Amino acid sequence: QVQLQESGPGLVKPSETLSLTCTVSGGSVSNNNYYWTWIRQPPGKGLEWIGDINYSGSTSYNTNYNPSLKSRVAMSLDTSKNQFSLKLNSVTAADTAVYYCATRLIFSKCFDPWGQGTLVTVSS
Amino acid sequence: QSALTQPASVSGSPGQSITISCTGTSSDVGGYNSVSWYQHHPGKAPKLMIYDVSKRPSGVSNRFSGSKSGNTASLTISGLQAEDETDYYCSSYTSSISYVFGTGTKVTVL
Repeated sequence: QVQLQESGPGLVKPSETLSLTCTVSGGSVSNNNYYWTWIRQPPGKGLEWIGDINYSGSTSYNTNYNPSLKSRVAMSLDTSKNQFSLKLNSVTAADTAVYYCATRLIFSKCFDPWGQGTLVTVSS
Repeated sequence: QSALTQPASVSGSPGQSITISCTGTSSDVGGYNSVSWYQHHPGKAPKLMIYDVSKRPSGVSNRFSGSKSGNTASLTISGLQAEDETDYYCSSYTSSISYVFGTGTKVTVL
């Protein structure tokens, strides 16, 4: 049973880069049958898909990003630590949200399971 | 990509059935049989309840069912129980090779 746990700074200054990591247990980020996903929820608002990443061999990844965030997002995998990461640059207060990591099977279009989420606040 | 439209709230008495709608476009809900539904208790990890419009993951109660007609998907909860009171979100794959979620519905058990 795959389990996911988010970690990272809870406070980021405006214009800086938000960096989060998701640690995977019970599964491997180098398993190319999975897409590893980030989703966020601003306070009082709905969920927003940020993007996902899939290991395709050696140092190659497949990535898909939300078109509205694509210019500011980068995702990566660390197979040695069994983690995947999110970087979101040039953050503003609008990026304040609970950030969730999740996973989906390669031919699936649903997310299961999810991590508990971590709140990131953008403020000076 | 606009969020899918869900009613802000739906309520029902214990034992009753309720239905939550999720309206999109032909570029998402109407174009793919890839609608999923999530139950989200605040502060906890969202839980997959329905996938591929109407399929139920192992372990999810058969009181939860899904359907779709045109650009609108629906989640029905039958035999409403107190434990069902929380937030529900739909999601769909889109033609932009991305995913969009619904605005969320708060279910209240009266």
